Amino acid sequence: GAVVSQHPSWVICKSGTSVKIECRSLDFQATTMFWYRQFPKQSLMLMATSNEGSKATYEQGVEKDKFLINHASLTLSTLTVTSAHPEDSSFYICSAPWRSSYNEQFFGPGTRLTVL
Amino acid sequence: QKEVEQNSGPLSVPEGAIASLNCTYSDRGSQSFFWYRQYSGKSPELIMSIYSNGDKEDGRFTAQLNKASQYVSLLIRDSQPSDSATYLCAVNGAAGNKLTFGGGTRVLVKP
Repeated sequence: GAVVSQHPSWVICKSGTSVKIECRSLDFQATTMFWYRQFPKQSLMLMATSNEGSKATYEQGVEKDKFLINHASLTLSTLTVTSAHPEDSSFYICSAPWRSSYNEQFFGPGTRLTVL
Repeated sequence: QKEVEQNSGPLSVPEGAIASLNCTYSDRGSQSFFWYRQYSGKSPELIMSIYSNGDKEDGRFTAQLNKASQYVSLLIRDSQPSDSATYLCAVNGAAGNKLTFGGGTRVLVKP
């Protein structure tokens, strides 16, 4: 299967600071990537679809000014959590489809964000 | 009604037995179906993909799809303690390439 990496794997920050998370497809190109958030004991929640060379598409209820997404190349998408607050503490996971005809998505290892 | 539904479990099975997981979906135009395994604190790992009606086997895993009944299942044969995890059913709908996930079924394999 395809390999997707994320960096950092965990981050602790103070309230009010911004945090950037990187998602890379290592052995394939991805014109689209997806960002999810997962709270403890809950299922994945899709936050947004990252599109290479164009604006991201956000799911209903997700603040686009708070969660900035940039898909700068065919292998890199970034999620920036701006002015983070404790309620933003969560497990953030990206995914990328490997074969567009089937939309077989592979997930990165995730980034655990803790906002103090 | 949720778009993709799974029994949350926990599904407790003895080691060596067959674990049977079920998933129903509401979008009749759905094209692709996936099972992911997620260990606690880790990200989901793709274990099975199925696109046409019938059975698909891969090692100890068998996925079954019935589009007429809007039903997809996963069988885990010879269950091992290492199979203890949450299993997520995901469906690619007719519109776009977003996956819709069920809430997951927690499986506990007891030695």
